[in-house]
Amino acid sequence: GAVVSQHPSRVICKSGTSVKIECRSLDFQATTMFWYRQFPKQSLMLMATSNEGSKATYEQGVEKDKFLINHASLTLSTLTVTSAHPEDSSFYICSAEWGGYTFGSGTRLTVV
Amino acid sequence: RKEVEQDPGPFNVPEGATVAFNCTYSNSASQSFFWYRQDCRKEPKLLMSVYSSGNEDGRFTAQLNRASQYISLLIRDSKLSDSATYLCVVGPRGGKLIFGQGTELSVKP
Repeated sequence: GAVVSQHPSRVICKSGTSVKIECRSLDFQATTMFWYRQFPKQSLMLMATSNEGSKATYEQGVEKDKFLINHASLTLSTLTVTSAHPEDSSFYICSAEWGGYTFGSGTRLTVV
Repeated sequence: RKEVEQDPGPFNVPEGATVAFNCTYSNSASQSFFWYRQDCRKEPKLLMSVYSSGNEDGRFTAQLNRASQYISLLIRDSKLSDSATYLCVVGPRGGKLIFGQGTELSVKP
C-alpha cells in the first residue's frame, strides 16, 4: 500500500528557532499533501494543502509566513515552523491522497 | 457549530460489550465518510470507509444516514485491543478531510 514517511518523529527546539518537517511519499506520486496539527485531547485540524509546483493553500487563521510549506517535487513536501514559540508545540502530521488517504507517522514538536 | 461532531467520551466498557459511537456532520455536500482509529501519540489509521448502504467488517459495523447527516460505528464483542480514540472523518470527493474531535474508548478486563 501507499506509504508516507515523515521525519523527524520528535524534535525539541528553543524558542525563536525554525524547525523543518519532511513528508515523503515512498511508492506513489503525491500531487497534493495535507498538513494537520493536533493539540492534546483535540482533533486533527487542517493547516494547509500543499500542491506540487504551486503555492500552498492555507486554512483560515493559519499564518502562511510562520508555517512555510514547500512542495517542490511529487514525492516531497516540507513544513517549516519559523520562529517557533512554546504555543507551537503540537503534533504535526501530513497526509496524501492516492485513492484513499495515507498519513505520515507524525512529528511531535516541543518548543522550550 | 462544528463541521463534524462526535459523542463526548470517554466510553469505559467491559470486554465483550457492544459499544456505539455517533457522529453528525454539517456539510450536506460531503461525499466521503470514514472512521479512523488513533492510538495515543500515533497517527490515525483507517478503520473503515462508510457507505450509504452500510457496511460491516468483522466486529465493526458502520452506517450512514445522508438525510440526517449522521454516521455511526458499532463495535461488537469489544476487545482490550479496541481501546483507542475513534475519529469520525468527513470529506468532499477527494480533497481535505474534516475530523471530529474523537471519542475515547477504554475496554477493561
